[in-house]
Amino acid sequence: AQSVTQLDSQVPVFEEAPVELRCNYSSSVSVYLFWYVQYPNQGLQLLLKYLSGSTLVKGINGFEAEFNKSQTSFHLRKPSVHISDTAEYFCAVRSDSNYQLIWGAGTKLIIKP
Amino acid sequence: SAVISQKPSRDICQRGTSLTIQCQVDSQVTMMFWYRQQPGQSLTLIATANQGSEATYESGFVIDKFPISRPNLTFSTLTVSNMSPEDSSIYLCSVDSLGDSYNEQFFGPGTRLTVL
Repeated sequence: AQSVTQLDSQVPVFEEAPVELRCNYSSSVSVYLFWYVQYPNQGLQLLLKYLSGSTLVKGINGFEAEFNKSQTSFHLRKPSVHISDTAEYFCAVRSDSNYQLIWGAGTKLIIKP
Repeated sequence: SAVISQKPSRDICQRGTSLTIQCQVDSQVTMMFWYRQQPGQSLTLIATANQGSEATYESGFVIDKFPISRPNLTFSTLTVSNMSPEDSSIYLCSVDSLGDSYNEQFFGPGTRLTVL
């Protein structure tokens, strides 16, 4: 069975500072990894995904994530955050044999002015 | 990518009543999913809806409480029956993508339900 752990429920960070949101997964098979963002009172939007190939994946809004197979991690990073990045971020995983997405609990990114 | 709309966007309902949520997609899709997101929580899959077959429900969710219709490849409905305050949640519709981005899901804006 697969599972996803987002280690931080909230991450406060000052505007223009760098941020890392952590995501670890467990799976016995190959996986595809996703980060979604949910802005206040909105649905979910895909930020980026890892399917195969380069382990560094770039997404929208200046975000990137690195797939680390040995550490079973897929941490999300941004070098300089903006107030508009205030949102909840969800990590999700699925295997190549199952269409279902397994979701992390989410991390609220709080930008301090 | 797929564009998904949901109706209603929000509603306030009385205990014991039912609400039907509609999900419309701008392209034909094979799989549609219904999720529940309780306040401050992550997403929980309720069921998967394929056109022409019964929906497949996840553990803890039953058809009598959450009947689903999937009459064609662009539309689905989820009914929340005999509601109680515990059903207060955001209900999200999503679809599996096709083509070169076949592994991601696209989400509707959600329906915010409050049960009094």
